Amino acid sequence: NAGVMQNPRHLVRRRGQEARLRCSPMKGHSHVYWYRQLPEEGLKFMVYLQKENIIDESGMPKERFSAEFPKEGPSILRIQQVVRGDSAAYFCASSPVIAGNQPQHFGDGTRLSIL
Amino acid sequence: AQSVTQLDSQVPVFEEAPVELRCNYSSSVSVYLFWYVQYPNQGLQLLLKYLSGSTLVKGINGFEAEFNKSQTSFHLRKPSVHISDTAEYFCAVSDQSNNTGKLIFGQGTTLQVKP
Repeated sequence: NAGVMQNPRHLVRRRGQEARLRCSPMKGHSHVYWYRQLPEEGLKFMVYLQKENIIDESGMPKERFSAEFPKEGPSILRIQQVVRGDSAAYFCASSPVIAGNQPQHFGDGTRLSIL
Repeated sequence: AQSVTQLDSQVPVFEEAPVELRCNYSSSVSVYLFWYVQYPNQGLQLLLKYLSGSTLVKGINGFEAEFNKSQTSFHLRKPSVHISDTAEYFCAVSDQSNNTGKLIFGQGTTLQVKP
């Protein structure tokens, strides 16, 4: 079974450009979580999605960030007009049901660098 | 609101010595507790979890943790470490009553195993 797949692994953007990060959950998993890891810090929750629905976006910055998980295809985390402070590792995790007592399975992350 | 505190940012230890990585949490509700390990440039891998029942939990790679409700702690231990245990370790909690399952992470502890 393939694990959680994230691409690209590394992404370089200039200030003002858009960044698109993709996450394909494990087979059979319909719940996706996005986390951000700033340098020297732990992971911070951003958003929780089920197929075609955003369930909890309490950790998403109010502007420039959006996420989707369409019926078909991967989940996408989109950052518009990137700034230096967006440089971080972005991790996706999936679970077959609402995570709770079920562990989340993490991808290897996308490392975003802003020039 | 919940929070997780990992009391040591770095723990240097010699190979074959025992180690304890400390984790305390703050929550007004019951929580599930997790320890994850992150190797360089990789995602997070679940070491162990506490859901209910016995307060001593055994995980992979010889690690174990003990849940102490009165001290709101969930310290991770290993009786004899290997060079390959060098990694970043994260403690995390999830609210049992939360309908999203999102994880709240500590800042992480870097375990450095020396030969």
